[in-house]
Amino acid sequence: ETGVTQTPRHLVMGMTNKKSLKCEQHLGHNAMYWYKQSAKKPLELMFVYSLEERVENNSVPSRFSPECPNSSHLFLHLHTLQPEDSALYLCASSSRQGAYYEQYFGPGTRLTVT
Amino acid sequence: ILNVEQSPQSLHVQEGDSTNFTCSFPSSNFYALHWYRWETAKSPEALFVMTLNGDEKKKGRISATLNTKEGYSYLYIKGSQPEDSATYLCASSRAGGTSYGKLTFGQGTILTVHP
Repeated sequence: ETGVTQTPRHLVMGMTNKKSLKCEQHLGHNAMYWYKQSAKKPLELMFVYSLEERVENNSVPSRFSPECPNSSHLFLHLHTLQPEDSALYLCASSSRQGAYYEQYFGPGTRLTVT
Repeated sequence: ILNVEQSPQSLHVQEGDSTNFTCSFPSSNFYALHWYRWETAKSPEALFVMTLNGDEKKKGRISATLNTKEGYSYLYIKGSQPEDSATYLCASSRAGGTSYGKLTFGQGTILTVHP
């Protein structure tokens, strides 16, 4: 257990659906991240929230909408997705550990868009 | 090197073999190199963080070295066991004064240890 949980673990949705992914961290960290992993590609950073403020948005399409209501919770709202959005979505959190930030990951949500 | 690259992409070894794989990263503005171990259906788990040239870290049968001048890190596993089967990820971070850690990941090395 890393102290970062994600729900649901698996999600199948149609292109017209709206759904949300949830991430919760119990580590007292002050930064949270969304990553996407597609087959045979490296983890791609999507969004970063630091102290509940969005500080990074890596050219992610607007059909992905993040929300960070407090330092322990992070959501990724999904609407009108495309089949190519099918991937594993990982959440992570971090805080400063001396000279660097160590990220702790959740187990991911496997998303399939039909 | 502009991206983080790992080799080989996959590796099959027999139980008891020792093995190693490589992570190459941009050496300019380097700050830290992270290794993670990722078992199927679980969370990636941090193994090591290294920041200084010549750093060596060890955890049980797994060790790692760092060369920041030439931009590479090696991960070694001595006497591989089936439970070592996982994807091993490396990620680098660069100096930049942010209030969070921005990591650039390699695509991983998939290790399968056969009994």
